[in-house]
Amino acid sequence: DQQVKQNSPSLSVQEGRISILNCDYTNSMFDYFLWYKKYPAEGPTFLISISSIKDKNEDGRFTVFLNKSAKHLSLHIVPSQPGDSAVYFCAASRTTSGTYKYIFGTGTRLKVLA
Amino acid sequence: SAVISQKPSRDICQRGTSLTIQCQVDSQVTMMFWYRQQPGQSLTLIATANQGSEATYESGFVIDKFPISRPNLTFSTLTVSNMSPEDSSIYLCSVKEFGQPQHFGDGTRLSIL
Repeated sequence: DQQVKQNSPSLSVQEGRISILNCDYTNSMFDYFLWYKKYPAEGPTFLISISSIKDKNEDGRFTVFLNKSAKHLSLHIVPSQPGDSAVYFCAASRTTSGTYKYIFGTGTRLKVLA
Repeated sequence: SAVISQKPSRDICQRGTSLTIQCQVDSQVTMMFWYRQQPGQSLTLIATANQGSEATYESGFVIDKFPISRPNLTFSTLTVSNMSPEDSSIYLCSVKEFGQPQHFGDGTRLSIL
C-alpha cells in the first residue's frame, strides 16, 4: 500500500518558468511533510518542509502548498533553473508517533531545459 | 548539519555472500536510519538503528537478512546477508536530530551478480 504517491514520474520545464511537482497521500495521520532533491550518485538533500497546521511555506524560489482536505501537496519552483534538474521526492511523517520515520513517494524527475 | 560518510560507495558482489556497509557521522546524533532504494523505486525504511540495543525493523525486513549495529552515537553498520540479485539497490544511511529533518549520506550502490 503506497501511502505517498507521486503520479508524475517525469516533468520537463523551460528555464525561467514555474515547475510544479505534485504529491498525494492517503494517511490522514501524517502531520509533517518534506521535499528532498536527489542528484545522481548523491544522497537526497532536504529542500523544504511544511507542518499540517500551515497551508503554505516559502523559502526563496521554493514554495510548498498543503491541501489537507484533498491530502495533496505541491512544490513550486520559480523561476526554474537548469541546476534544479534532479529527482524530487516528497515524504510524510507522523510526528505524534515518536518514531520520526518518513514515508517517501516514488519521485519525480525534473528536467529544466536551457 | 552533520557530515555523513558511507563506505563502500559502491560494490559488486557474488550471490550468497554478505556485505557490511558502514555509516560514520562527524558528530553525535540522536537517531540513525537505514533505507533501501531499489531501481526506479522509492526510498524504503529498513530499520531504525538504536544505540546500544537491537534495531527496530520495518515490516518486510528481518534481522537475519539485515543485521544492524550501532555501538555509539556516531557509527552504525548494515549488513546485507546471503545476497541475491533482488538485493541490488542503493542503501542509504540517514541521521536526525530533534527539530531537524533527516540528513542523508551519499549511499552505497550495490550490485549482485
